[in-house]
Amino acid sequence: GNSVTQMEGPVTLSEEAFLTINCTYTATGYPSLFWYVQYPGEGLQLLLKATKADDKGSNKGFEATYRKETTSFHLEKGSVQVSDSAVYFCALTIALPSNTPLVFGKGTRLSVIA
Amino acid sequence: DGGITQSPKYLFRKEGQNVTLSCEQNLNHDAMYWYRQDPGQGLRLIYYSQIVNDFQKGDIAEGYSVSREKKESFPLTVTSAQKNPTAFYLCASSLGTALNEQFFGPGTRLTVL
Repeated sequence: GNSVTQMEGPVTLSEEAFLTINCTYTATGYPSLFWYVQYPGEGLQLLLKATKADDKGSNKGFEATYRKETTSFHLEKGSVQVSDSAVYFCALTIALPSNTPLVFGKGTRLSVIA
Repeated sequence: DGGITQSPKYLFRKEGQNVTLSCEQNLNHDAMYWYRQDPGQGLRLIYYSQIVNDFQKGDIAEGYSVSREKKESFPLTVTSAQKNPTAFYLCASSLGTALNEQFFGPGTRLTVL
């Protein structure tokens, strides 16, 4: 089956530190990969995405590269801010058939302290 | 503005009562989804609907029911058969492209007393 494994949190960093949140996946077929972010008390927002091997998704200083050889999609940011404190979810979907539900990892809570 | 609305944001019910959570979208999306979120467990799929008048069970459908009579609406009923209904419930929708990017509502926190 399809599944996503991401590193357990919580992750606590000082402001301006480098962030890596690991995500690996198992999938049949050709998955699209996503990172979503959830701020306290809110729904999820799409952070970035990649649809094929070697694609790099980027947004708001965050990056993740779709690595088919290692089945990974690690999230990175060079310098975190207090405002980045949130829960981050890695997710996948199989491109076809369309409208198949996302499969989520369990989420990683990030706390950034000033 | 296009988006997904869920109401209410907070909901309290007595044990044994059914309760219906609202989800409306004006994005003209074909597919809609309901997830349940519990601390440390990520998101678990309850039901989803790929088209009007059709829906499928997700991983944890027991104790829940849905309807999809209109494209823009996908209400979720938490029945008294759901043994542990207190949770944060998230609704999402997607357009129906191969990318399957989902857009989420703000969520409803249900507390059963």
